[in-house]
Amino acid sequence: EIVLTQSPGTLSLSPGERATLSCKTSHSASASYNVNSSYLAWYQQKPGQAPRLLIYGASSRATGIPDRFSGSGSGTDFTLTITRLEPEDFAVYYCQQYSSSPRGLTFGPGTKVNIQ
Amino acid sequence: EVQLVQSGAEVKKPGATMKISCKVSGYTFTDYYMHWVKQAPGKGLEWMGLVDPEDDETIYAEKFQGRITITADTSTYTAYMELSSLRSEDTAVYYCATGSMQVVVPPDYWGPGTLVTVSS
Repeated sequence: EIVLTQSPGTLSLSPGERATLSCKTSHSASASYNVNSSYLAWYQQKPGQAPRLLIYGASSRATGIPDRFSGSGSGTDFTLTITRLEPEDFAVYYCQQYSSSPRGLTFGPGTKVNIQ
Repeated sequence: EVQLVQSGAEVKKPGATMKISCKVSGYTFTDYYMHWVKQAPGKGLEWMGLVDPEDDETIYAEKFQGRITITADTSTYTAYMELSSLRSEDTAVYYCATGSMQVVVPPDYWGPGTLVTVSS
């Protein structure tokens, strides 16, 4: 069973600051066919809304996602960076990994980014 | 424009079975996997399973094996998620999500969610 650990649990920052969120996985998220590719995604969720895909493949931005959001990492250690927080960025962020055995997806517990 | 419309909120008694739906438009139904994700009140996201509408292949999270059935009706472009032997811990918002042509690709279109309350 894959376990994803996100830190910190809560991050209190001010608009304009940089946010760095961590996701560590118990099993490598590297693709079996290409070690340079990872099955790690990041989602944003605001209260009362469905999650929104931000990053897939560890570092590729989804359609329409501003470039202040960036993902990095490989293997078992991944990071989501928001370079300059906008008021609309205060939300909960989840990482997600695909597993081939057992097949399926797993979400991390989330990091809440609060306005300080 | 891809749209996912989910069925309305439900109240179920413990031990009952729920079946909720997700009707899609704006794309060819058989092109993308359909996932279901659970979110209990104040809690995080939990992946439940998926169906490939093209061939009805399903993959279920181990936690829900034996209680969950996900199906797809290609004639109505609707996916269904059935969960049996309901208990209070199944009280949650259930999301359908799609947009991935491969299991490894995360879904990027999500429905608004269906709230299911399990209470006697």
